[in-house]
Amino acid sequence: EAGVAQSPRYKIIEKRQSVAFWCNPISGHATLYWYQQILGQGPKLLIQFQNNGVVDDSQLPKDRFSAERLKGVDSTLKIQPAKLEDSAVYLCASSGQNTGTGLRKLFFGSGTQLSVL
Amino acid sequence: KQEVTQIPAALSVPEGENLVLNCSFTDSAIYNLQWFRQDPGKGLTSLLLIQSSQREQTSGRLNASLDKSSGRSTLYIAASQPGDSATYLCALTGFQKLVFGTGTRLLVSP
Repeated sequence: EAGVAQSPRYKIIEKRQSVAFWCNPISGHATLYWYQQILGQGPKLLIQFQNNGVVDDSQLPKDRFSAERLKGVDSTLKIQPAKLEDSAVYLCASSGQNTGTGLRKLFFGSGTQLSVL
Repeated sequence: KQEVTQIPAALSVPEGENLVLNCSFTDSAIYNLQWFRQDPGKGLTSLLLIQSSQREQTSGRLNASLDKSSGRSTLYIAASQPGDSATYLCALTGFQKLVFGTGTRLLVSP
């Protein structure tokens, strides 16, 4: 079974530039997550999709970050314009149907490491 | 707001030792708790998942316990090996949201 695919693996940009990340979840997984992981910290949820609808984007800095999941499959996360504090690893995860008990196993991609100079 | 803390932040042990990683949380109204492993430059791998009605889960040399009343979970690793070196993260799982701890960076030396 193919895992969660992310690209690119690494990206270096200057502040105020734009950047986009791509994620292809595991086939059939309805839920897709984008997490931001700053060095030395745990991952922080940026946005959660259920199919192509947004479930939670409460921690997404909407003035500069945007995400979409067209057709409920692939997803892109964009930052425009980037700031120095956006330097982090951006992780994509997907999960299948929960069992009704909240039981939900997440599968993570390898992440995109962003450096903003 | 749920806050999840992991102690210690870093741990270095010789091969063969048994060790315990700690995870504390402030809100006991959780559905379940997961322990993840993260290797450098890679994503997270789920190790164990404990439902809120359970007290512990075991997988090989790993044993995770959950005490909701005290807001604590522990991950016990028996007979540690150099291949266990990684960052270990706990995460509280709700029906819609996953909140991660700060992680413990483990180094097992041969």
